[in-house]
Amino acid sequence: DTGVSQNPRHKITKRGQNVTFRCDPISEHNRLYWYRQTLGQGPEFLTYFQNEAQLEKSRLLSDRFSAERPKGSFSTLEIQRTEQGDSAMYLCASSSMAGLLYEQYFGPGTRLTVT
Amino acid sequence: DQQVKQNSPSLSVQEGRISILNCDYTNSMFDYFLWYKKYPAEGPTFLISISSIKDKNEDGRFTVFLNKSAKHLSLHIVPSQPGDSAVYFCAASRSNDYKLSFGAGTTVTVRA
Repeated sequence: DTGVSQNPRHKITKRGQNVTFRCDPISEHNRLYWYRQTLGQGPEFLTYFQNEAQLEKSRLLSDRFSAERPKGSFSTLEIQRTEQGDSAMYLCASSSMAGLLYEQYFGPGTRLTVT
Repeated sequence: DQQVKQNSPSLSVQEGRISILNCDYTNSMFDYFLWYKKYPAEGPTFLISISSIKDKNEDGRFTVFLNKSAKHLSLHIVPSQPGDSAVYFCAASRSNDYKLSFGAGTTVTVRA
């Protein structure tokens, strides 16, 4: 079990550009969550998937954000027309319906800097 | 709105002593509570959890206490070790969606 992985670990982009992040959950974990963390704050929920179905999106997730989880395996989070306020750590977590759904396992995160 | 609050941004404790971290929540629908530990440049790591039907859960040096009437939980680390120096996040969840609501974190520094 290799844990949750996220790529890239760091991304610097200019305002207005599009970026895409990838998350590979623990194998056979059917729930996948995206969170965003800014300096001095705890992670904030963005969206989650059960298998390939996106079940909920936070109101924090503007129309510029889109997430997918094709085939219920890895997930991507895309931000279009990035703004400086999008600068944050984007965290992915997964959990298993065969285990304790409450206990989510996090990846190392992708740090986005928008200049 | 911040449904989970950690009012102490930092805590300094001497090695071997007890660390007590506090957390308050406002949503009475939360029925599961977790503590995560985070080192710099890493994602949060699950530490210990407690269901709302219990008032105490212990795992080695870590004990979590839950006071439902006060909507308060605490994490006790005893004895504290230098490797415990990290940011600790309190999180809460409901059984209908399991998404986590986090506090802002408490930075623990264990002094030798």
